[in-house]
Parts: sequence; structure tokens; C-alpha cells
Amino acid sequence: GESVGLHLPTLSVQEGDNSIINCAYSNSASDYFIWYKQESGKGPQFIIDIRSNMDKRQGQRVTVLLNKTVKHLSLQIAATQPGDSAVYFCADFLNTNAGKSTFGDGTTLTVKP
Amino acid sequence: NAGVTQTPKFQVLKTGQSMTLQCAQDMNHNSMYWYRQDPGMGLRLIYYSASEGTTDKGEVPNGYNVSRLNKREFSLRLESAAPSQTSVYFCASIRTVDGTEAFFGQGTRLTVV
Repeated sequence: GESVGLHLPTLSVQEGDNSIINCAYSNSASDYFIWYKQESGKGPQFIIDIRSNMDKRQGQRVTVLLNKTVKHLSLQIAATQPGDSAVYFCADFLNTNAGKSTFGDGTTLTVKP
Repeated sequence: NAGVTQTPKFQVLKTGQSMTLQCAQDMNHNSMYWYRQDPGMGLRLIYYSASEGTTDKGEVPNGYNVSRLNKREFSLRLESAAPSQTSVYFCASIRTVDGTEAFFGQGTRLTVV
């Protein structure tokens, strides 16, 4: 079946370094993608989104890159801070009206001071 | 999280019992979702509602029913709980038109014994 998955389950970085979290998706019909952050014991929190007609989108300290050719997206976090430590998920949606969505399994980011 | 209220926070059920998880949002979003999250895994879509009056199955709908009572409320019902339904359940409300908003509830930790 269709799936969205992350390449690495854990990532450890030094405070101040840049982080890159990767995600592969299998449904070529996916039209829209969201990155979420989930802290322990809490619900996911929206970080940034990107539509399939874009290949890059920037937010505050975060950048999402989308490569539709290889069905891959990444989340780049600049100057990673201890507060960025969390599990990061990508999710795809079949259309921009936020219909059916699939989550990846998550990458745990640990920021070392 | 702001805008999505999910109840209860914790619940223990005996096998075969029924219960309804409640979710309400006050952001006037069309799309609402129910997910389950098992330990160390991503979120799996149970059901979603793209608009008031419509509901659709997600990846893991068996054993669940939903009701989109009105635009604000989207409930999830377990008619006959099974131990395999022990999980953390999250409700989400998402808007992707005219900007993106995505909010999750705090989750319901359900244990079926």
C-alpha cells in the first residue's frame, strides 16, 4: 500500500548546528505535505507545509524541500536549539483540501547542548 | 492545543465495552481527523471528515465509527472495545485553503483490558 516513511529513526546534533530530517513518500498523487513536531506527551504541532507545485518553502528557521522526481522531502532546521528536540513527522495529503492523509513513523531529534 | 478540545484525556475500558471520544474545534475548519498512535510509531488515520456531513475511512477504520455532528464536532465511537485498540487517539482539525492551519487535540490515552 501507499506509505510515507522517514529515512532515519533518530538524529542527534549539537546545539547551533543545522539539522536535516528526511522523508520518502510513495504516493505520486500526493498533492500536499505537512511537517509536524511532537513533544513527549503532546499532540503534533504544525511546522510548515508545501504543495506539490513547489520545490522549496521557507519558514522561520525551517526550510522544506520537495523532490517529486524521487518522491522525497526534507526538513531543514537552522541553528538547532534544545527546544527543537522532539519527534518530527511528515504527512502527505491527496489534495489541498486536506483529504486523506498518511503519516510517516517519525524521526527523533535530540539536540545536545 | 489552541482550538481543538478532545475528551476524555484518559480512559480504561473492559473488553467489549463501548465509548465515544469527543472532539470539538472552534476555528471553523472544514476538515477533521481521527488518528491513533501506538508506541514509537507515527499516526495512523482512522477516519476523516472533509466537510460537515461527510465522513470517509482512513487506513485503520475497523472497529470504529464516527459522526460529524456539525461543523464543530467530530466524534469517534468504539462499539465493542478490544485490547488491540489500546492506543493514544488524536483528533485534528485542518484548513489548507487561504493559508494553512493544523491543530491537534491533546490526545486520549485509552487502555482496553
